[in-house]
Amino acid sequence: AQTVTQSQPEMSVQEAETVTLSCTYDTSESDYYLFWYKQPPSRQMILVIRQEAYKQQNATENRFSVNFQKAAKSFSLKISDSQLGDAAMYFCAYRRPYGGSQGNLIFGKGTKLSVKP
Amino acid sequence: NAGVTQTPKFQVLKTGQSMTLQCAQDMNHEYMSWYRQDPGMGLRLIHYSVGAGITDQGEVPNGYNVSRSTTEDFPLRLLSAAPSQTSVYFCASSYSTSGRVYEQYFGPGTRLTVT
Repeated sequence: AQTVTQSQPEMSVQEAETVTLSCTYDTSESDYYLFWYKQPPSRQMILVIRQEAYKQQNATENRFSVNFQKAAKSFSLKISDSQLGDAAMYFCAYRRPYGGSQGNLIFGKGTKLSVKP
Repeated sequence: NAGVTQTPKFQVLKTGQSMTLQCAQDMNHEYMSWYRQDPGMGLRLIHYSVGAGITDQGEVPNGYNVSRSTTEDFPLRLLSAAPSQTSVYFCASSYSTSGRVYEQYFGPGTRLTVT
């Protein structure tokens, strides 16, 4: 069974600095998706970034980028120029691309990010 | 588009009571899921549906029922509430084509407390 591990329960970063959140996963599949979701205090789950396993190029979305190491099964999130609004819980998630039970997300336990002014 | 909507936002139940959490989406997504979020546990799948009339169990289905009579709606029923069902519940939907499922979009969640 696939598992997702986030080894950092809490992280802290100074405003305008860069922070990296770690995620590792375990799977025997070659085709899958990886995601980072942000959950602010409002509780809404917001998709930050998506990586398709067959793409070697790391995904980027504005200040957010990932370091995807498929062989090492590692998927870290880098937040550049951190802003106060980045403070939230961040969840790493894995999913196989097809439907049925494979189409559901498997989540890590989350990393709580604090941003200091 | 309203996206994925959930009602109610908050609910308090007494042990043994039943209720239905509502979920609706207006994106014509075939794939819908229910997750629960507990402190330190991330989100765990309760039930999911790949289309109208088709549902299946996820990781933690006990104590919950679902049905999918339309593409838009996917209600979650608590049959006899227990304190262990105190949690935040999220509904999510995904677009799928040719069997391939894409990003899941989440509703705002329902915070349920069972006393």
